[in-house]
Amino acid sequence: NAGVTQTPKFQVLKTGQSMTLQCAQDMNHNSMYWYRQDPGMGLRLIYYSASEGTTDKGEVPNGYNVSRLNKREFSLRLESAAPSQTSVYFCASSASSGGSYEQYFGPGTRLTVT
Amino acid sequence: GQSLEQPSEVTAVEGAIVQINCTYQTSGFYGLSWYQQHDGGAPTFLSYNALDGLEETGRFSSFLSRSDSYGYLLLQELQMKDSASYFCAVSFNTGGFKTIFGAGTRLFVKA
Repeated sequence: NAGVTQTPKFQVLKTGQSMTLQCAQDMNHNSMYWYRQDPGMGLRLIYYSASEGTTDKGEVPNGYNVSRLNKREFSLRLESAAPSQTSVYFCASSASSGGSYEQYFGPGTRLTVT
Repeated sequence: GQSLEQPSEVTAVEGAIVQINCTYQTSGFYGLSWYQQHDGGAPTFLSYNALDGLEETGRFSSFLSRSDSYGYLLLQELQMKDSASYFCAVSFNTGGFKTIFGAGTRLFVKA
């Protein structure tokens, strides 16, 4: 099992460019999440998908869109990148969105917007 | 809204015991989790408490007091490899389950 995989691992964008971060899990999990982590801060939830076919906003959704393509895949799109979106992005999955289910994290995507 | 507070840094000696506290404010509280993250790595799950009391998993234990909106992570027999950031995370249900993370506590273990 690969667990949670993310592509790309690193990305540099210019302001105004767009890109999609890809995430896939092979654990048959129902719920998937996108977080960003800035230096000295915890993980902030951008969007999540409690189950296939549903998505919902987290704490910091502005400037992002998501697509739950199927049960395995959950992508995050930046339509017009801004320097404030420079961060490390983590995708995670869990069996269910209920709090007792541990989240498994991917290795992260390090994004720099210049 | 929801908020969590935990100390930004803790330093301890190898072999010692350290406690990392977490206080939270949230409606629809469901449970408190702890995650460990080494520099450059991804967070990994350590423990989860939904009910009051102590949960023990090897050298790590986690405690919750729902009435005090307080929990802690206890690390015993500290090892150098325990140097990492530790995050508490609150799960709550306000029309849908969500989890929010604290800012993290950086633990330095000295020889």
